[in-house]
Amino acid sequence: LAKTTQPISMDSYEGQEVNITCSHNNIATNDYITWYQQFPSQGPRFIIQGYKTKVTNEVASLFIPADRKSSTLSLPRVSLSDTAVYYCLVGDRRLNNDMRFGAGTRLTVKP
Amino acid sequence: DADVTQTPRNRITKTGKRIMLECSQTKGHDRMYWYRQDPGLGLQLIYYSFDVKDINKGEISDGYSVSRQAQAKFSLSLESAIPNQTALYFCATSDALGGGTGELFFGEGSRLTVL
Repeated sequence: LAKTTQPISMDSYEGQEVNITCSHNNIATNDYITWYQQFPSQGPRFIIQGYKTKVTNEVASLFIPADRKSSTLSLPRVSLSDTAVYYCLVGDRRLNNDMRFGAGTRLTVKP
Repeated sequence: DADVTQTPRNRITKTGKRIMLECSQTKGHDRMYWYRQDPGLGLQLIYYSFDVKDINKGEISDGYSVSRQAQAKFSLSLESAIPNQTALYFCATSDALGGGTGELFFGEGSRLTVL
């Protein structure tokens, strides 16, 4: 299983772009990179998933370099409501076994 | 109605009691998971199941057992609850066979307090 490493916490201000990086040095060929967001006392929810290069959806972008040993979640123009914990998961989405979340990155957006 | 329903949502019990947390889903997913979250920490995987006949241990299975009664139901049991099992428990499902992202869908959580 690919272990992931993320910063424990980050602070930002409203309107700024936030980039959260995740390291996954032993990512396997079939592994995808998935990011989840969790608000207090709620279950995590899916944000974005990618395999390589860049993926963008309505809420975030995911940048994955060619060696795939890291990935960066980019949140454009954050607001106070983006204050949450963000988790990076790496795994084979066909197997979806042993999906471990780790400690995540606690993002605090300030006014 | 929620796609992934957990009962009870809150439970206070005493040390040594047997507790069951239940999870049911209407998403038709094959995979189900139980996670535990302690205050201020990330989620830890307790057990996961690929189908009714398949049960797998996660990171922290000691002190817990599970039952997959049907594709839609996955129960977590604490045979003899202890105070350090006080936590927020989440059930999740995924559809890894559908060719999609394998996204995990979570229930609203069951808050368990063991006195």
